[in-house]
Amino acid sequence: SQTIHQWPATLVQPVGSPLSLECTVEGTSNPNLYWYRQAAGRGLQLLFYSVGIGQISSEVPQNLSASRPQDRQFILSSKKLLLSDSGFYLCAWSPTQGQPQHFGDGTRLSIL
Amino acid sequence: QKEVEQDPGPLSVPEGAIVSLNCTYSNSAFQYFMWYRQYSRKGPELLMYTYSSGNKEDGRFTAQVDKSSKYISLFIRDSQPSDSATYLCALNNAGNMLTFGGGTRLMVKP
Repeated sequence: SQTIHQWPATLVQPVGSPLSLECTVEGTSNPNLYWYRQAAGRGLQLLFYSVGIGQISSEVPQNLSASRPQDRQFILSSKKLLLSDSGFYLCAWSPTQGQPQHFGDGTRLSIL
Repeated sequence: QKEVEQDPGPLSVPEGAIVSLNCTYSNSAFQYFMWYRQYSRKGPELLMYTYSSGNKEDGRFTAQVDKSSKYISLFIRDSQPSDSATYLCALNNAGNMLTFGGGTRLMVKP
């Protein structure tokens, strides 16, 4: 069966510091991968998705970037965090487009 | 107007009640319909997935889709305290994007 891992679960970072969140999927190959942000009291906002190694589509212009260095690895990064980057970051995968997405347990990011 | 509207709740019911959760949408291009359950500080968990009008049942859960009215529902029978969570509807037009409702917070009281 397929599993998705995200780490860390919680992160507290100062303003202006860099960020790297990692997500890996096991038990499948060539998945579609997604990064979402969920702000308190709001729905899920799609940030990036990837249909293959090195292929990244950005949905929302912002202070973040994503990379997919390996088939089942998806990384969310920032060079300098802003206060507005605080939130709950979720990684998800699907077998292909149009199929349901399956989520990890998220990283709660607090910027001080 | 949002593409997907979902009552935020909270919805509070006694244990054993039948729960009805609903979403309305405006884009007729949506073809796939999902319901997710999200516990506090956890990622959403897929509950139901359907792509046609009508009902789909899985245990205590029934998903209902009415494409002509652009209305989807999730029914929970014999609700349990463990069902207390936020429920998110999600719609897809066969592309890479899921469009989520804002979520309904459900509380089932023992």
